[in-house]
Amino acid sequence: LAKTTQPISMDSYEGQEVNITCSHNNIATNDYITWYQQFPSQGPRFIIQGYKTKVTNEVASLFIPADRKSSTLSLPRVSLSDTAVYYCLVGANTGFQKLVFGTGTRLLVSP
Amino acid sequence: SAVISQKPSRDICQRGTSLTIQCQVDSQVTMMFWYRQQPGQSLTLIATANQGSEATYESGFVIDKFPISRPNLTFSTLTVSNMSPEDSSIYLCSVEEGSPYIYGYTFGSGTRLTVV
Repeated sequence: LAKTTQPISMDSYEGQEVNITCSHNNIATNDYITWYQQFPSQGPRFIIQGYKTKVTNEVASLFIPADRKSSTLSLPRVSLSDTAVYYCLVGANTGFQKLVFGTGTRLLVSP
Repeated sequence: SAVISQKPSRDICQRGTSLTIQCQVDSQVTMMFWYRQQPGQSLTLIATANQGSEATYESGFVIDKFPISRPNLTFSTLTVSNMSPEDSSIYLCSVEEGSPYIYGYTFGSGTRLTVV
């Protein structure tokens, strides 16, 4: 699995857009990029996955440039309830793949 | 998506004792996974449990310390044996949801273990 690098922490205020960037310089051709969200006292929750360009769902958007060596998770108009740790994972669909979690980004949203 | 029930949600245990954590899934799944999350840290995979076979342990984790059972396709247990304060962590089970996502895993809410 490709190694990922994320900022350790980020701070924001309610109503702002938050962009969390993940670096994965060694991403392989068949690797996908997946983001998880973990609230305190809960297990991680899958939020979005992409391979290239842009993916959007009801929770977030994921931007992936052409070289795929990085990706950006975008959270529109965050609220206090978006305070969580966000993990970026990279890996391929070649049979069973173990999840390897990096350090994650601890996002704190303030009023 | 699958619903995972994990018990107990938390426990405080004496050193030297053992605790068994249960993970129940509301659907049949091939693989179940056990993770440890030490205070303020990320998740570390302990082992993968397949029904009908021995669990596969990751480097740094051994069966004598973390025996795992997988009696059927909806249930698994993880035992933390001969506990010490260093075992104080959150233990989580997880299953793979599969299609349409490659990494669409669902996690239980975890068991917060404190060893005193």
